[in-house]
Amino acid sequence: SQQGEEDPQALSIQEGENATMNCSYKTSINNLQWYRQNSGRGLVHLILIRSNEREKHSGRLRVTLDTSKKSSSLLITASRAADTASYFCAPAEAWGKLTFGQGTILTVHP
Amino acid sequence: NAGVTQTPKFRVLKTGQSMTLLCAQDMNHEYMYWYRQDPGMGLRLIHYSVGEGTTAKGEVPDGYNVSRLKKQNFLLGLESAAPSQTSVYFCASSPQGDSTDTQYFGPGTRLTVL
Repeated sequence: SQQGEEDPQALSIQEGENATMNCSYKTSINNLQWYRQNSGRGLVHLILIRSNEREKHSGRLRVTLDTSKKSSSLLITASRAADTASYFCAPAEAWGKLTFGQGTILTVHP
Repeated sequence: NAGVTQTPKFRVLKTGQSMTLLCAQDMNHEYMYWYRQDPGMGLRLIHYSVGEGTTAKGEVPDGYNVSRLKKQNFLLGLESAAPSQTSVYFCASSPQGDSTDTQYFGPGTRLTVL
């Protein structure tokens, strides 16, 4: 299946530091989405990057996509304690079916 | 707008019992999805619907049935619950089936089967 695989599985940093999470996938995609899940909550959409884009920014988020390596990265700059959550990538194929990986658990210490 | 709501929030069942999880969305979305989330497994798609009156199987459909009689509601049924169905269940919806659509998730239902 087209499941995204996030790396690392867990990341622990201090407030103010940058956090980088990586995602790899297996086959061609139309786009790739990133979601965040706070503990005990549903997933929330963060950002979408299309297959013809290489980089996209949204506030403190920066997403890159390398279709030749079938990989994406999510960078959160100047992290805050409120960024503590699980982050999932979801490669999207021809229609709206998303396939989520296991996620990266990010802990930001005040 | 309430977005996507799920009922109930928690439930404990005994093996062999049945139950129905209700998902409701007020965004007039066409597509709706049921996922289950287990530790170390990420989210896995159980069933989905591309519109009122339609349903389709996802990645892990066995042991579950679904119905979409009204556009705003998507029901997930467990006819004979098994301990392997202990999980957190999430419903989601999206406007259409386009790959650029954002999926909007409910808060989840935590189900324990003893």
